[in-house]
Amino acid sequence: EVHLLESGGGLVQAGGSLRLSCAASGFTFSSYSMTWVRQAPGRGLEWVSVISDSGATYYADFVKGRLTISRDNSKNMLFLQMNSLGAEDTAVYYCAKYVLATTPAFDNWGQGTLVTVSS
Amino acid sequence: QSALTQPASVSGSPGQSITISCTTTSSDVGVYEYVSWYQQHPGKVPKLMIYEVSNRPSGVSHRFSGSKSGNTASLTISGLQAEDEADYYCSSYTTTSVIFGGGTKLTVL
Repeated sequence: EVHLLESGGGLVQAGGSLRLSCAASGFTFSSYSMTWVRQAPGRGLEWVSVISDSGATYYADFVKGRLTISRDNSKNMLFLQMNSLGAEDTAVYYCAKYVLATTPAFDNWGQGTLVTVSS
Repeated sequence: QSALTQPASVSGSPGQSITISCTTTSSDVGVYEYVSWYQQHPGKVPKLMIYEVSNRPSGVSHRFSGSKSGNTASLTISGLQAEDEADYYCSSYTTTSVIFGGGTKLTVL
């Protein structure tokens, strides 16, 4: 059974940093692209970033160099380094797995980790 | 502002069929082979219902189906049930990013 577990969220002051982690199990982690999606309170889903199985990375326009996605295939871990955080980054952050190697649809999601940025 | 436009809300009675549309006017959005749909109940994690326009993941009810015509993709739910009441999001992609529609709240009357 696929299992994704995020951690690292919390309360941080504006301008601060956080590192989110996502522990994966139940599938061959190194063979799948992985993504981060966020959801602000009461708002819709917003895609953040993706890292392919080969390590290629892509980001949403709003990231503007503040966020860095990475992965450690030896430990089945996905990360999101978040710097220069602002109130607009307050959201639940989900990690998710691609349903197929190159199909941008996400069939397994973690429970999410809440990031709250105080201004 | 999302490049994928969904109606804010739709409603239907139990047993009826409803369709949720997802339209793009952006030439940057992919040609729609990769449209997917997600269901999200309040306070819950999103669930993939449809991918690649019309494919259902294992375990998703056959009452859910997807299609597309031109720049509009659609999610149809037949035999509406109370448990289908949720938010639904379409998703597609550009050359370097994934985008979500703004979401549609489905109310089962």
